[in-house]
Amino acid sequence: EAGVAQSPRYKIIEKRQSVAFWCNPISGHATLYWYQQILGQGPKLLIQFQNNGVVDDSQLPKDRFSAERLKGVDSTLKIQPAKLEDSAVYLCASSHPRRGTEAFFGQGTRLTVV
Amino acid sequence: GDSVTQMEGPVTLSEEAFLTINCTYTATGYPSLFWYVQYPGEGLQLLLKATKADDKGSNKGFEATYRKETTSFHLEKGSVQVSDSAVYFCALNRAGKSTFGDGTTLTVKP
Repeated sequence: EAGVAQSPRYKIIEKRQSVAFWCNPISGHATLYWYQQILGQGPKLLIQFQNNGVVDDSQLPKDRFSAERLKGVDSTLKIQPAKLEDSAVYLCASSHPRRGTEAFFGQGTRLTVV
Repeated sequence: GDSVTQMEGPVTLSEEAFLTINCTYTATGYPSLFWYVQYPGEGLQLLLKATKADDKGSNKGFEATYRKETTSFHLEKGSVQVSDSAVYFCALNRAGKSTFGDGTTLTVKP
């Protein structure tokens, strides 16, 4: 089966600009996650969706980050305005709620804010 | 809250050496435990998992045993190869939410 698809792979923007990332999960996976991975650290959960509803967004900086999953499939994560400390890899993952708890990850989007 | 602590890296080994990467966790209840691997330029891949106490996960020569009494899930491999060079992440999942350690970078030299 096809894996989790993310785009773009790389993005460089100036601080205060906006940026959006796109994710297409594995077909049939109802749960979708966005993680932020800062260099040298483990992934940190930003938001978790179950179908098109938000399960957990407690770690999402809501003053500048937003995410949506309108039809319960694709998802977009937006940052507006970006700060230097947002430089990180943004990982999307999905899981099937009835087939175990492991998540399948995309290759990520490496964001550099200058 | 839940947390995962991994041994700090980087770890450098010669080919065919024995590998241990320590992982301990803090969580209420009975989480599932995982090891993920991240090769350069790639996303995280599931390496192995264990869903209950005393389970042993294994894959590609790697093993880890879920030890509830010591809240540990140490990763081991008897003979590492150059191709095992990567970053290894220990993680737990409880109630559908995953928590990751900060990763351990392994470099295997020929």
